[in-house]
Amino acid sequence: KAGVTQTPRYLIKTRGQQVTLSCSPISGHRSVSWYQQTPGQGLQFLFEYFSETQRNKGNFPGRFSGRQFSNSRSEMNVSTLELGDSALYLCASSPRADLAEKLFFGSGTQLSVL
Amino acid sequence: GNSVTQMEGPVTLSEEAFLTINCTYTATGYPSLFWYVQYPGEGLQLLLKATKADDKGSNKGFEATYRKETTSFHLEKGSVQVSDSAVYFCALSVQADKLIFGTGTRLQVFP
Repeated sequence: KAGVTQTPRYLIKTRGQQVTLSCSPISGHRSVSWYQQTPGQGLQFLFEYFSETQRNKGNFPGRFSGRQFSNSRSEMNVSTLELGDSALYLCASSPRADLAEKLFFGSGTQLSVL
Repeated sequence: GNSVTQMEGPVTLSEEAFLTINCTYTATGYPSLFWYVQYPGEGLQLLLKATKADDKGSNKGFEATYRKETTSFHLEKGSVQVSDSAVYFCALSVQADKLIFGTGTRLQVFP
């Protein structure tokens, strides 16, 4: 069974640009969560989607948005990039929305903002 | 609010040494507690979990006991290996809500 797949693996952008990251969950998983990982802050929850609906949202500005498609694949978008957005963005999938203990993580997308 | 505090790293040990990584938490309600491990270049993997007080989670020689009286979930291993070098994250979830992570502790094991 394929794991959680995140693309691209690495991204380099400049300030002011926007970026879209993609996540394909494990087959059959309907819940997708996104986390931002930085050396100083650790992992910060961005949002969670279940059956194409945003179920939960963290404390990030409106520049961070996401969506989920009918096949459970998810994308997150960051507009007007800032230097502080440089981070590893991790996606995790779960069979159901209420199964925090059944999260499976992808390897992440490393975003560098110059 | 709910939060997790982990000891600062890096933790540097020789092979076969005893490992303890401290984790304490603050939570409303009754959280489930987790340890995740992140190997270089990879995503997080669930290492072990405990869902109620006095439960002991264990996996791959690692153990952690859910201590409600001290609000702690310290990770231990009796004899570490070089292959255990990774970043370890303590996390909690209340009522199956989103996972809240600590900042992570890097473990470096030398032969």
